[in-house]
Formats: sequence, C-alpha cells, structure tokens
Amino acid sequence: DIVMTQSPDSLAVSLGERATINCKSSQSVLYSSNNKNYLCWYQQKPGQPPKLLIYWASTRASGVPDRFSGSGSGTDFTLTISSLQAEDVAVYYCQQYYSTPQRTFGQGTKVELK
Amino acid sequence: VHLVESGGGLVQPGRSLRLSCTTSGFPFDDHALNWVRQAPGKGLEWVGFIRSKANGGTTDYAASVRGRFTISRDDSTNIAHLQMDSLKTEDTAVYFCAYDSSGYSYAFNYWGQGTLVTVSS
Repeated sequence: DIVMTQSPDSLAVSLGERATINCKSSQSVLYSSNNKNYLCWYQQKPGQPPKLLIYWASTRASGVPDRFSGSGSGTDFTLTISSLQAEDVAVYYCQQYYSTPQRTFGQGTKVELK
Repeated sequence: VHLVESGGGLVQPGRSLRLSCTTSGFPFDDHALNWVRQAPGKGLEWVGFIRSKANGGTTDYAASVRGRFTISRDDSTNIAHLQMDSLKTEDTAVYFCAYDSSGYSYAFNYWGQGTLVTVSS
C-alpha cells in the first residue's frame, strides 16, 4: 500500500497569513504515461463530510476559492492557503488515487487560528 | 446531486449490519460508488467500491474489511449497499458513500453526510 504522511499534524495561523501543509507519499504517484500526479486534497469541517479542494495535485475543484493551491510532483506535495480566512479552519487530508482502487489518505492536518 | 446514507446504529461484535446509500441527481448506473469511513476523532479510511455494471460491476475492498464486507448495487433504485458481517469494535466509525462525477472514481467530489456505526457489547 502507498502510505501518505502529512506534516505538520496541526498548525496555528493568523488571519490573512499563509498556511502550508505537506504530504509525502511512500512511492511516486506520478503516472508517466500522462504525466499526471494522482493526488488530491480535501477539507473537512466538524460534523461535515470531506470537501474536494484539489485534484491532479494542482487543479482546483469547482467553486474552490483561488487562495487554495496545490503543488508538487512525484512523492512530495503541498497545499497552500495563501491568506487564511476564518472559514478555512478545518482538517485537511491528502489522498492518492495512483493505486486505484486502493486509495489511501494522509492522517490529516488540523488548521487553527492563532 | 444527493447521497444519503442510512442503516447505522449500535450492534454487538460479531453481528451484522447493512448500510444503504440512496442517490439522486446523477446517472447512478454510469458510475462507481465508494464507501469511506472515519473512526471517532480519527482520519479517513477508504473501505471499498463497486464499479458500474458497464465496467463489470465488480468490487474491491480495503484489506481491513475484505472477506467481511460486501458492496452491492441496485441500479433500478439508485441505491448501493454495504453489508457488514463479523463486525469488530474497530469497525466503529461514520460511514460515508462518495463518488467521482468524472467517471474515473479517482477524487470524490460528492459525499453523503454519513451514518454512524457503533460496534460494542
């Protein structure tokens, strides 16, 4: 199984400041035939299901504000919130779909307000 | 698009439970349907999925549930089921159904609200 490891486990950021979350996979999730990274990011708020933010490592899902961006390739990925808003307080998960149907998630990163 | 899970509750270890995912608003028979769970206060774990009939209607499961859980689908009613047998305390979780509208079942852009399963004596 591909193991996804996120860092940090939690971070506290001031309103308007940048938040950066890292995700590392135990093997590359870059599919050479199409040069796509099979990696996505979700946001989950308490009592709610996850919400898809980013897919193909850097493509924003429909309706996602442009302060959210994804980057990286191969085994190392980053989710950046360029200017944290109060409504961005949540837990964020990366997920690989390279080994579909066996998908695996990172352990989650909790973003709080400082 | 709506996905609504039902059937959760309290069940004793070793017993069975059947969850349902009732869907609307999209061509259910054209899409795979996934189940994902989340233990209380923990992260997300993919449980399994069922392909569309056009892709064989076959299933795949996480190792932690393989041989105990079975996913089925009824395209006439747009409902997917998760049959959970030989339940263990570690199966306690909120169970979500989810799908990817792109048709590739990669990243899940639609989720239900989840149903809580508690396995305890």
